[in-house]
Amino acid sequence: EDKVVQSPLSLVVHEGDTVTLNCSYEVTNFRSLLWYKQEKKAPTFLFMLTSSGIEKKSGRLSSILDKKELFSILNITATQTGDSAVYLCAVAGGSYIPTFGRGTSLIVHP
Amino acid sequence: DAGVIQSPRHEVTEMGQEVTLRCKPISGHDYLFWYRQTMMRGLELLIYFNNNVPIDDSGMPEDRFSAKMPNASFSTLKIQPSEPRDSAVYFCASSFRQGGGETQYFGPGTRLLVL
Repeated sequence: EDKVVQSPLSLVVHEGDTVTLNCSYEVTNFRSLLWYKQEKKAPTFLFMLTSSGIEKKSGRLSSILDKKELFSILNITATQTGDSAVYLCAVAGGSYIPTFGRGTSLIVHP
Repeated sequence: DAGVIQSPRHEVTEMGQEVTLRCKPISGHDYLFWYRQTMMRGLELLIYFNNNVPIDDSGMPEDRFSAKMPNASFSTLKIQPSEPRDSAVYFCASSFRQGGGETQYFGPGTRLLVL
């Protein structure tokens, strides 16, 4: 059974801090790892990673995958209050169907 | 495209009543997923369809839950009879296999409260 574990479960920081969110996984026939951001509504897609060592970047957010050690990190630099959300990690195996982790709840205080 | 559309956005009902949730996926997407999200259990996959055919319904909690997809632009999730423990946010999502099908686009969700 595919498994996704995210850490920490929650994080409270101040604006301007840099945060690192972790996602470790076990999956049969790994295909991709996905990051989503969920505010008080539906999850929205951030990144899809398929290859080790290649950083994906979007503004202040970046993510990288290590397929050997079976984990990914999501970095957010210079955090803003608008970054407050639950960040979900999901892994897709041979079935293409993602398995989601429980998420990391990030709160950014002004 | 308007994105994935769900209705109703909120539903409050009494235990024992039938509840029907509706979803319109993004046009051209060939996969449709129903999820349930609660604080206790996180995001759970209930069932998914490929080209309108149910592929895996192993996540459906019990026989009180049923889902249909009569055509490529419409799906329903029905709970009959509803129970208080069914209270959750129900998301519909769709994806397109050829476009990197793991990337799912979620609807706004239906927040269900069963009293």
